[in-house]
Amino acid sequence: NAGVTQTPKFQVLKTGQSMTLQCAQDMNHEYMSWYRQDPGMGLRLIHYSVGAGITDQGEVPNGYNVSRSTTEDFPLRLLSAAPSQTSVYFCASSYSPALADEQFFGPGTRLTVL
Amino acid sequence: GDSVTQMEGPVTLSEEAFLTINCTYTATGYPSLFWYVQYPGEGLQLLLKATKADDKGSNKGFEATYRKETTSFHLEKGSVQVSDSAVYFCALSAGSASKIIFGSGTRLSIRP
Repeated sequence: NAGVTQTPKFQVLKTGQSMTLQCAQDMNHEYMSWYRQDPGMGLRLIHYSVGAGITDQGEVPNGYNVSRSTTEDFPLRLLSAAPSQTSVYFCASSYSPALADEQFFGPGTRLTVL
Repeated sequence: GDSVTQMEGPVTLSEEAFLTINCTYTATGYPSLFWYVQYPGEGLQLLLKATKADDKGSNKGFEATYRKETTSFHLEKGSVQVSDSAVYFCALSAGSASKIIFGSGTRLSIRP
């Protein structure tokens, strides 16, 4: 199993550009989520999905869109990049949204917006 | 609302020293508690968890006990190694995985 994979690993954008961060998992997990990690702030939830065709907003959804057309893939779209979106982005998955399920994280995408 | 507070870093220790990283939480109901570890350049990995009061989670020599009376879940290890250098996150889940709340992380550096 590859686990949770993310591409690209690094990306530099100019303000106003759009792009999609890719996330895939091969563990047949129902639950997937996107977090951003900023210094001193831990991880904050952007969007999540409890299954194919179902998505919902997390704590900091503004400026981001997601879709879940298959169980395996959960891309994150930046509509019009802003410097405030400079961050490290992590995708995670778990077997279910149950309370105690372990979250499996991808290696992250480091995004810089100039 | 629910929250997690953990000790600020960085924490620097010598090899074989005793480690404690404090974590306290605020939550309604009965959350599950976690410690995740992030090694340089990698994503987070689950280190240990506890799902009810007085449970002790343990893994790789690390331990943490779910203390409801003090709302704490402190991480301990009796003898740290250089390979333990990483960032450690305390987290709670209260309701569903969509409600996982992470602390701000504690960077640990171990000197040989």
